[in-house]
Amino acid sequence: QKEVEQDPGPLSVPEGAIVSLNCTYSNSAFQYFMWYRQYSRKGPELLMYTYSSGNKEDGRFTAQVDKSSKYISLFIRDSQPSDSATYLCAMSVGTYKYIFGTGTRLKVLA
Amino acid sequence: GAVVSQHPSWVICKSGTSVKIECRSLDFQATTMFWYRQFPKQSLMLMATSNEGSKATYEQGVEKDKFLINHASLTLSTLTVTSAHPEDSSFYICSARDRRSLRSGANVLTFGAGSRLTVL
Repeated sequence: QKEVEQDPGPLSVPEGAIVSLNCTYSNSAFQYFMWYRQYSRKGPELLMYTYSSGNKEDGRFTAQVDKSSKYISLFIRDSQPSDSATYLCAMSVGTYKYIFGTGTRLKVLA
Repeated sequence: GAVVSQHPSWVICKSGTSVKIECRSLDFQATTMFWYRQFPKQSLMLMATSNEGSKATYEQGVEKDKFLINHASLTLSTLTVTSAHPEDSSFYICSARDRRSLRSGANVLTFGAGSRLTVL
């Protein structure tokens, strides 16, 4: 079993839809949870960062962490074609190395 | 915000030659930088952790003599792919952790734009 599981997609949604992206993990020691967006042939860029459990909102993006279920989510409201990218979840124990999910490819159709 | 510059963004080389990729933190100091490799439609695979002023720590299965890492200053780490072969063709990405984020208790990595290596 991988430490971090993420559905690779692709996930196709119409413009304006609410997108839900998820990751599950097995290591209960993870404390830091991140979501990165990666456009084709580019490096990942940080979208959301959460320490421990709870919700965090930034514009159209909301990140949720449920440590009891070992489950994290990223919601994108009013999705736009420019949101089409691969979304990677990442998590770490303390300041140790990140463990990445495989990434979910999202396509927002105009 | 923190910016990491990676150069070159793409490189083509002949089999048997060596290629150097640079990773610079532009507006912050990074005691630790990370080098990843990414295959098409796959996630990031950590290759090694580069520590300023000391030897890099390589992940299991990564040949340290093949992938030479040097972190000579707080703003620069280099990855040299030695005697490159077609199977080394990949997308290499570096990342750095801002020392200021560590002091604040955060753990945020900033990534470079990546370097696409094609070995003929």
